Amino acid sequence: EAQVTQNPRYLITVTGKKLTVTCSQNMNHEYMSWYRQDPGLGLRQIYYSMNVEVTDKGDVPEGYKVSRKEKRNFPLILESPSPNQTSLYFCASSSSGSGAYEQYFGPGTRLTVT
Amino acid sequence: AQSVAQPEDQVNVAEGNPLTVKCTYSVSGNPYLFWYVQYPNRGLQFLLKYITGDNLVKGSYGFEAEFNKSQTSFHLKKPSALVSDSALYFCAVSPPNDYKLSFGAGTTVTVRA
Repeated sequence: EAQVTQNPRYLITVTGKKLTVTCSQNMNHEYMSWYRQDPGLGLRQIYYSMNVEVTDKGDVPEGYKVSRKEKRNFPLILESPSPNQTSLYFCASSSSGSGAYEQYFGPGTRLTVT
Repeated sequence: AQSVAQPEDQVNVAEGNPLTVKCTYSVSGNPYLFWYVQYPNRGLQFLLKYITGDNLVKGSYGFEAEFNKSQTSFHLKKPSALVSDSALYFCAVSPPNDYKLSFGAGTTVTVRA
């Protein structure tokens, strides 16, 4: 089954404790992206990747890091989480970064930072 | 920079009645427009898109949307709503040949039996 998977689905952590949210897709997609969803704000892009070893900032990259060492994986790293990073996070992938292709979303990771 | 507005936070309709979810956009050039739906505790699912061609686009689950360039709108419609259509709907826009997808704030649709 074609899908985007994220782990963990739920995470409660404390301020400053480094964490990684994994994302993997099995569709051989070139483009991958991370979003955060907050009430009343819709989805905002954190980082995206056009292909292996090619990443760039989205609208809200502060406090986040990413890497793309393999085509299928695109982990999101919070090196020193803060309470304002409490949010619902989605990973997405698309066959191309041209903008004309729909994105496939993972199930989401709900992160709480206390 | 592109932007999307969904003027209604909530839309409430009775089952069997027409459903409309409004979306307006701002972007340079001819836009790529999308609708996604999010069911509770799920990721977003693609419904339909407009890239070029016919202004009326048909998508999944009986939904359709009409691209109106003069009004910069891309309203989502369904002729006869179902209770199972109750969900959070997002409109999104991308400039042509660009990777960046911008989402609206979302509209919660409630269909009552």
